[in-house]
Amino acid sequence: GQQLNQSPQSMFIQEGEDVSMNCTSSSIFNTWLWYKQDPGEGPVLLIALYKAGELTSNGRLTAQFGITRKDSFLNISASIPSDVGIYFCAGLRGNNNDMRFGAGTRLTVKP
Amino acid sequence: GAGVSQTPSNKVTEKGKYVELRCDPISGHTALYWYRQSLGQGPEFLIYFQGTGAADDSGLPNDRFFAVRPEGSVSTLKIQRTERGDSAVYLCASSRTGTAYNEQFFGPGTRLTVL
Repeated sequence: GQQLNQSPQSMFIQEGEDVSMNCTSSSIFNTWLWYKQDPGEGPVLLIALYKAGELTSNGRLTAQFGITRKDSFLNISASIPSDVGIYFCAGLRGNNNDMRFGAGTRLTVKP
Repeated sequence: GAGVSQTPSNKVTEKGKYVELRCDPISGHTALYWYRQSLGQGPEFLIYFQGTGAADDSGLPNDRFFAVRPEGSVSTLKIQRTERGDSAVYLCASSRTGTAYNEQFFGPGTRLTVL
């Protein structure tokens, strides 16, 4: 089952607004990842975080690896219609195969 | 394209039947992963191959599920005596290696429906 608690479950926002979503866990992770999934497609990696406290940006996306290594957040600034989709956090404890996903945040952007 | 491909894209079967799902990883990627994604959930790990061998099959739910990768490239996920609860999207991913973090590239998935 899911070991990561991701919130919110869904968001309905107006184009141009900023968005924030987060992920928490009772377990420590060594790597935090954020993915986006469009309908009928597999998840696509947006940002990877490797160190506690790390803050990383990718265009309008910013993500942080929490100091406790048990949480992470993703911010999207100035949302646009193509940001619509489901965003997943994922954590890796050690080897590449031990990846756990959150349940996802479904984002809807109204033009 | 050079991405991960999966066939079929959709599979409808009857309870009790046997199904095979195929994954073609990115050329040169030695690590291959299978995940299952139920409606409204994130992907859940099933099995991981490093080369031809299953390095970790701890996510397979029971012995009706089996996967092979005989030549270290294409992989087949096999499900025997399918049950309605097996209905889900089965995702395959590959990465350059499986040791330490390497980006996993996902295929589009196979949507399995068991009637």
